[in-house]
Amino acid sequence: GNSVTQMEGPVTLSEEAFLTINCTYTATGYPSLFWYVQYPGEGLQLLLKATKADDKGSNKGFEATYRKETTSFHLEKGSVQVSDSAVYFCALSDAGAGSYQLTFGKGTKLSVIP
Amino acid sequence: DAGITQSPRHKVTETGTPVTLRCHQTENHRYMYWYRQDPGHGLRLIHYSYGVKDTDKGEVSDGYSVSRSKTEDFLLTLESATSSQTSVYFCAITGRQTNYGYTFGSGTRLTVV
Repeated sequence: GNSVTQMEGPVTLSEEAFLTINCTYTATGYPSLFWYVQYPGEGLQLLLKATKADDKGSNKGFEATYRKETTSFHLEKGSVQVSDSAVYFCALSDAGAGSYQLTFGKGTKLSVIP
Repeated sequence: DAGITQSPRHKVTETGTPVTLRCHQTENHRYMYWYRQDPGHGLRLIHYSYGVKDTDKGEVSDGYSVSRSKTEDFLLTLESATSSQTSVYFCAITGRQTNYGYTFGSGTRLTVV
């Protein structure tokens, strides 16, 4: 079956530090990959996505590249801000399964301190 | 996002009672999902629907049932609530209109005492 493994948190960084959150996946087909963000007390919002190998998703200064050879989709940001404090989820969707359901990692909590 | 709403937002119920959570969408999406979110587990799929009256089980379906009698509404029922079902429940929708991108509801926080 499909699975997603992401680095355990919590992660605490100072403002303007470089962020990497590792994510690897296992899938039987050719999945699309996603990063979702959840701010306190809210639902999940799509941060970025990539639908095929070597695609780079980007949004709000965050980037992630779909690496089929290493089955990875690591999230990076060059300079984090306090407002980036949230929980980040890596996820995959295997359209070949027909249901388009998302399989999530367990989430990584990021705290950015001034 | 006004395209998907969950009700209620918060609920406290007693062990053994039935509980129904509602997800309502105005986007005419084909697919609807119920997830639960628990610390250390991320989000886990309970049930999903791929059309009116078409539903299937997810990873953690025991103790839950669903119904979808019309496109807009997807109901999740806890047949006899237990303390292990205390969680935050999220509904999500997707479809061809958004190239199968997901939209999540704001969640329902359920406490079973």
